[in-house]
Amino acid sequence: DGGITQSPKYLFRKEGQNVTLSCEQNLNHDAMYWYRQDPGQGLRLIYYSQIVNDFQKGDIAEGYSVSREKKESFPLTVTSAQKNPTAFYLCASRKATGDGYTFGSGTRLTVV
Amino acid sequence: AQSVTQPDIHITVSEGASLELRCNYSYGATPYLFWYVQSPGQGLQLLLKYFSGDTLVQGIKGFEAEFKRSQSSFNLRKPSVHWSDAAEYFCAVGAGQAGTALIFGKGTTLSVSS
Repeated sequence: DGGITQSPKYLFRKEGQNVTLSCEQNLNHDAMYWYRQDPGQGLRLIYYSQIVNDFQKGDIAEGYSVSREKKESFPLTVTSAQKNPTAFYLCASRKATGDGYTFGSGTRLTVV
Repeated sequence: AQSVTQPDIHITVSEGASLELRCNYSYGATPYLFWYVQSPGQGLQLLLKYFSGDTLVQGIKGFEAEFKRSQSSFNLRKPSVHWSDAAEYFCAVGAGQAGTALIFGKGTTLSVSS
């Protein structure tokens, strides 16, 4: 079945380390998105990409980086510059403008 | 500014009772509107969406939503709530043109009492 796979589901890292979250989709969707979710804050957009080799910053891009070398993959790197990285990270994709998103099951990152 | 407001942070409803979750939006263009549901520790699942046409849209799991342009609202309803409906619900708004992302509300947590 088609879908979006985020891995790992749980991730623990020491403060000051960079960490990369994986997001892979086999839906043949053009657009992919990364959101951060904190309790009571809803979903906040980090980065998104409409096509391969192109991406745009969202509302809270500072301390994060992404790449889009393949249509199927949109990894997110949480750098040491991110002040408060502990959160639940959600990846999503959609085929066409106006379509709803398909979400992955999320990665919970804990920085200690 | 573009925004989505879900006025109720937490709602408790008795099993079998009706439900209405409120959503108000601020958007400059014709909006595309969505409702999503999230179980704890999981991703979001699309319940329903509205682009145009009939202002009352039907979704999965017995949910429906009504678009009211004059009130900038897109409220979610269900006639009879089941215990399995307990979850967090998010309203989202987006544009029709390419190159944009959805804007989400902060969510409403639904608890169902027996």
